[in-house]
Amino acid sequence: AQTVTQSQPEMSVQEAETVTLSCTYDTSESNYYLFWYKQPPSRQMILVIRQEAYKQQNATENRFSVNFQKAAKSFSLKISDSQLGDTAMYFCACRSYTGTASKLTFGTGTRLQVTL
Amino acid sequence: DTAVSQTPKYLVTQMGNDKSIKCEQNLGHDTMYWYKQDSKKFLKIMFSYNNKELIINETVPNRFSPKSPDKAHLNLHINSLELGDSAVYFCASSPTLAGAHTQYFGPGTRLTVL
Repeated sequence: AQTVTQSQPEMSVQEAETVTLSCTYDTSESNYYLFWYKQPPSRQMILVIRQEAYKQQNATENRFSVNFQKAAKSFSLKISDSQLGDTAMYFCACRSYTGTASKLTFGTGTRLQVTL
Repeated sequence: DTAVSQTPKYLVTQMGNDKSIKCEQNLGHDTMYWYKQDSKKFLKIMFSYNNKELIINETVPNRFSPKSPDKAHLNLHINSLELGDSAVYFCASSPTLAGAHTQYFGPGTRLTVL
């Protein structure tokens, strides 16, 4: 079984500032992958960034980067130069790979509000 | 050229009715999923199909019956709808069942049971 915990239900950041969203996970699998998804008010689930657990280098995608601490089972998302369009729910997710079945387990989400 | 599409986007119905939600993906993926997002925004997997074969069934009541006529389609039929079934249902697909492949989500179907 795997669990994903997001301890910040809501966060707020001013435009152009940097914000970090926290995520911890627990899995008994050695092969797994971590994801951050964004859900704006439109309801669409959009992949923000992903990280393979076997890679030590932190993933980056433009203004989005992660701080992956494998030993601590921590996977935080940093958003630099925040924009109004970043306002959304952000979900951390873990996907293990075990033989023929794997599934995506989501955290409870962090609602991010970007203000002027 | 929508990658994963769902119909309808909104569904309002009475308790006890039977309803279906359709999902189609044009990405050529082998694996499709149904997720339920409750009123607190918690997303949980319900089913996973790979090449029309059921792979994951997450202790969902048997009132929910997924059907995959081909690997591009995964429909969800719900019998005897209950108030607690009100939620947003997301369909998703990925190239294969395992690995780091990203899951691509449909726009969601908001089901309201009155």
